[in-house]
Amino acid sequence: EPEVTQTPSHQVTQMGQEVILRCVPISNHLYFYWYRQILGQKVEFLVSFYNNEISEKSEIFDDQFSVERPDGSNFTLKIRSTKLEDSAMYFCASSDPGVKYEQFFGPGTRLTVL
Amino acid sequence: QQQVKQSPQSLIVQKGGISIINCAYENTAFDYFPWYQQFPGKGPALLIAIRPDVSEKKEGRFTISFNKSAKQFSLHIMDSQPGDSATYFCAASGGRAGGGADGLTFGKGTHLIIQP
Repeated sequence: EPEVTQTPSHQVTQMGQEVILRCVPISNHLYFYWYRQILGQKVEFLVSFYNNEISEKSEIFDDQFSVERPDGSNFTLKIRSTKLEDSAMYFCASSDPGVKYEQFFGPGTRLTVL
Repeated sequence: QQQVKQSPQSLIVQKGGISIINCAYENTAFDYFPWYQQFPGKGPALLIAIRPDVSEKKEGRFTISFNKSAKQFSLHIMDSQPGDSATYFCAASGGRAGGGADGLTFGKGTHLIIQP
């Protein structure tokens, strides 16, 4: 069964450093999303992406965040200057153009900012 | 306006019993209500979802009940099994004009334990 994959599974970085989290959505999906989950808390929407542009973004998704689809298979989230409070699980999700509401999540990247 | 409120925070049910988790929303523009199941260290997995044009949807042991006038929906797990022990999140989306991709607004989650 096709699935969303994410790399790395765990990323440790120093405060102020830039990180790039990578996702490979399900191959025929055209809608892409990033969410984060701070330990023990709810999943929070960051941004959605469709047709090579941001479709919607939350208040969390400020100027330090950016997304990109650099090629036909990858979808990335960049955090320019990490802060301690960016430590969280980051989930990528994708959905099919025919059933765009059904979002399928990847296993996540645990980001630890020291 | 954008919140989805979920209860209870934690729930213990005996094997074979019925697990019931409730959610309430405020934004009347929401038009899609999924439930996700999450095991420790894993991403949320889509379990079942409903649209507001129906009051109930059943898939196997999982049923969503939807009350549009009360702006509430619930997940019922029949014949609960130890393998159902996980965190369950309700969510909602929709209401954006035009095309594009809607983000999900999640509830805070319910930690469900099924005792053997």
